[in-house]
Amino acid sequence: SQQGEEDPQALSIQEGENATMNCSYKTSINNLQWYRQNSGRGLVHLILIRSNEREKHSGRLRVTLDTSKKSSSLLITASRAADTASYFCATGNNAGNMLTFGGGTRLMVKP
Amino acid sequence: DAGVIQSPRHEVTEMGQEVTLRCKPISGHNSLFWYRQTMMRGLELLIYFNNNVPIDDSGMPEDRFSAKMPNASFSTLKIQPSEPRDSAVYFCASSPGGSTHNEQFFGPGTRLTVL
Repeated sequence: SQQGEEDPQALSIQEGENATMNCSYKTSINNLQWYRQNSGRGLVHLILIRSNEREKHSGRLRVTLDTSKKSSSLLITASRAADTASYFCATGNNAGNMLTFGGGTRLMVKP
Repeated sequence: DAGVIQSPRHEVTEMGQEVTLRCKPISGHNSLFWYRQTMMRGLELLIYFNNNVPIDDSGMPEDRFSAKMPNASFSTLKIQPSEPRDSAVYFCASSPGGSTHNEQFFGPGTRLTVL
């Protein structure tokens, strides 16, 4: 079963708008990561947030983590058509190097 | 750095045939992961290696699937015999290893179609 579940499953916005994706998970984690996948390509790491962190920024990306609610959000500000992709959250625990991926959010940014 | 290299990029085969997927991780990375991605099941971890040793193969669906990592720069995923339900995109990923804080670097994937 998947550890992380993204919400919404699909999101369509206009260029320039902000996009927010959410991820919920079930068990305790060591860190949470967000990945992006363009159609027909492999996943690309975007950002990692540790369990003792609450917020992290990277360029137009902002990630929050609420361990009490077992949830995270990814905000993409001032979206561009090139941001069109699927976005996955992945959780890591203390047991090893494994990551458990969610089902992903398909984001479409219309020009 | 060339990144994670996978071959072939596309494979079309007939049911019952043996399929071998290949992966070359990023040099210096200690962990290697094999994933399968389908529309129905999403991204599933099949097996991962640490320092060439299989650590967790609980995701390997059946005995028809096997994976090896004979050295630090090469891994194979074999399906024998293949079935139509094995059709999927198979990704290999590598990570520096040693900590769950490390990101994973994915290859471009092998799109497998079993007729």
